[in-house]
Amino acid sequence: DVKVTQSSRYLVKRTGEKVFLECVQDMDHENMFWYRQDPGLGLRLIYFSYDVKMKEKGDIPEGYSVSREKKERFSLILESASTNQTSMYLCASSHLTRRLAGLSEQYFGPGTRLTVT
Amino acid sequence: AQKITQTQPGMFVQEKEAVTLDCTYDTSDPSYGLFWYKQPSSGEMIFLIYQGSYDQQNATEGRYSLNFQKARKSANLVISASQLGDSAMYFCAMRGRTGTASKLTFGTGTRLQVTL
Repeated sequence: DVKVTQSSRYLVKRTGEKVFLECVQDMDHENMFWYRQDPGLGLRLIYFSYDVKMKEKGDIPEGYSVSREKKERFSLILESASTNQTSMYLCASSHLTRRLAGLSEQYFGPGTRLTVT
Repeated sequence: AQKITQTQPGMFVQEKEAVTLDCTYDTSDPSYGLFWYKQPSSGEMIFLIYQGSYDQQNATEGRYSLNFQKARKSANLVISASQLGDSAMYFCAMRGRTGTASKLTFGTGTRLQVTL
């Protein structure tokens, strides 16, 4: 079974703190993704990575950075947390596919509910 | 750009009945993939079913089927014989192209409540 794990289920941080969210997958997937989920907005892509040390911005990258030093690990960094970054953060991974119509589903971790006070 | 629209924020269905969750999409790509995910209250996203844009037949996975109408750009999820455990948020998503890799674009979700 594919397993995607995230370092914390719940996290409370103060405004201005640097926050690290870690994600690890065990299926040798090339692609890894970070989303945030907010009520009424669905999931929005923050950043993704298709290879070690490679990253691309998603739809809402402002205020975030990422790091992928090893294939199985993808970190999301909030350089200076703000209250508007209070959200559920979901990590996902998938095999690389160049066929948009091909099946390569994303497998998700359990999520980290981050509260910034 | 891709867009997914789910117009039903919430739905109720009685146990053992069938229910249809609506999803429409917009894309200019001739090739794309459509996905449905379930998110129970525990928070984890669970992949349910997939439809490729070139697939001739509607996808089915157990009690889940996808009513794919390409001309209307709709990909509705049908759950037959609903169970209490089907109560969850359901998200429709589409894979499109951005940069080097493909990405999923999600709708805003439909909350399904199964009642006795």
